[in-house]
Amino acid sequence: DTGVSQDPRHKITKRGQNVTFRCDPISEHNRLYWYRQTLGQGPEFLTYFQNEAQLEKSRLLSDRFSAERPKGSFSTLEIQRTEQGDSAMYLCASSLRQGARGANVLTFGAGSRLTVL
Amino acid sequence: QQPVQSPQAVILREGEDAVINCSSSKALYSVHWYRQKHGEAPVFLMILLKGGEQKGHDKISASFNEKKQQSSLYLTASQLSYSGTYFCGTDGSGNTGKLIFGQGTTLQVKP
Repeated sequence: DTGVSQDPRHKITKRGQNVTFRCDPISEHNRLYWYRQTLGQGPEFLTYFQNEAQLEKSRLLSDRFSAERPKGSFSTLEIQRTEQGDSAMYLCASSLRQGARGANVLTFGAGSRLTVL
Repeated sequence: QQPVQSPQAVILREGEDAVINCSSSKALYSVHWYRQKHGEAPVFLMILLKGGEQKGHDKISASFNEKKQQSSLYLTASQLSYSGTYFCGTDGSGNTGKLIFGQGTTLQVKP
């Protein structure tokens, strides 16, 4: 078990450019989550998947944000036409949810820090 | 409906105890506690479920008052390694993992 991996760890881009982040979850986990964290705040939920199905995307911050999880393994988060307000840490987490009851513990990756100039 | 954490910050000497509180205005299924050090991933500490089930580290304890929608994290005999920012995350939607996090409590343990 190598934990949740995120790539790249740091990304600096110019306003208007597109960026893509990748997340590799813990292999036996069936759920994958994307959160955003700005300085001094707690993580903010964006979207999540169960296997390859995206269960909610209404919390994605705008239509410039999209996420995919093809084949139910790794996931990508893309931000199109980046703005300075998109600068933040983008965290991925995964979990093994075994039903409507029980402990659904999220394991977070180290995050991808985005700086938009 | 972000949960409210208190205190916002606390400074301790090694060996002292601390309590961090988390209060929500919504009915909760579970409360999750994480610790995050600067530049690192949030690390899972404890989960408390409606009905009394708990899962977490041996050296950290917590409580969950379902009726009051409040949780407290108890850090006893603090060590230098306890320093960091503590977040509570609440799940009111039935175990989805869509956590709403509080604003965090910064804990600094000094020698």
